[in-house]
Amino acid sequence: GENVEQHPSTLSVQEGDSAVIKCTYSDSASNYFPWYKQELGKRPQLIIDIRSNVGEKKDQRIAVTLNKTAKHFSLHITETQPEDSAVYFCAATNSGYALNFGKGTSLLVTP
Amino acid sequence: DTGVSQDPRHKITKRGQNVTFRCDPISEHNRLYWYRQTLGQGPEFLTYFQNEAQLEKSRLLSDRFSAERPKGSFSTLEIQRTEQGDSAMYLCASSYGGQPQHFGDGTRLSIL
Repeated sequence: GENVEQHPSTLSVQEGDSAVIKCTYSDSASNYFPWYKQELGKRPQLIIDIRSNVGEKKDQRIAVTLNKTAKHFSLHITETQPEDSAVYFCAATNSGYALNFGKGTSLLVTP
Repeated sequence: DTGVSQDPRHKITKRGQNVTFRCDPISEHNRLYWYRQTLGQGPEFLTYFQNEAQLEKSRLLSDRFSAERPKGSFSTLEIQRTEQGDSAMYLCASSYGGQPQHFGDGTRLSIL
C-alpha cells in the first residue's frame, strides 16, 4: 500500500518567516495530494491540494509543489503568522477515496 | 453550519461494551468516509461509502467494526466488544464524487 513520510515532525519559525514541510510517497500511481491543517481539538481542514498533472499550485501565502519523478511534494507557507500555528498533514491517494496521511508536522509561529 | 456533523463528540465506555457513532455528511455529498486518528498520528482510512453502498474496507476494520449508510444519507459506525486499542478519535469525512474530502470534528472514544 501507499506509504507517506513527512518531515520535519516539528517546526518553529518566527513570525514573517517562511515554513516548508516535505512529504514523500511510495506509490507512483498516486495522483492526488491534499494538505490539511488541524488545530488542537478541531477537525482537519483542507488548505490546498494538487493533482499529478500539475507541478505547482499557489493560494495567497500557501503553495504546494509536486515532483512526480522523485515522488515528493512540499508545502510552502510564506509570511507566517501566529494563527498559522497548528499541525499540518500531507496525504496521497491513488484510489480517489482512501487518503494515506503522513504523521504530521507541528508548526509553531512565534511573534 | 452545513459542515460534516458527528455525534457524540466524546464517548467514554467500559471495555467490552458496544458503541455507535453517527455522521451526517454535507448535504448532497454522495461519498462518505470513516477514519481513525490516534494521538500524534495522521488519520487512517477505515471505510468508504458511495451513496448507500460500502465500497471499500481497510484491513484496520476488524470484524468487531461495522458501518452502515442507509438511504445514502447519514452513516453509523458501530464497534462491538470494545478493546483498549479502540481508543482514538473517529473522524468522518464527505465529498461530492472525487472532490476534496471535508472532515467533521470527530468522536473521541475512551475505553476504561
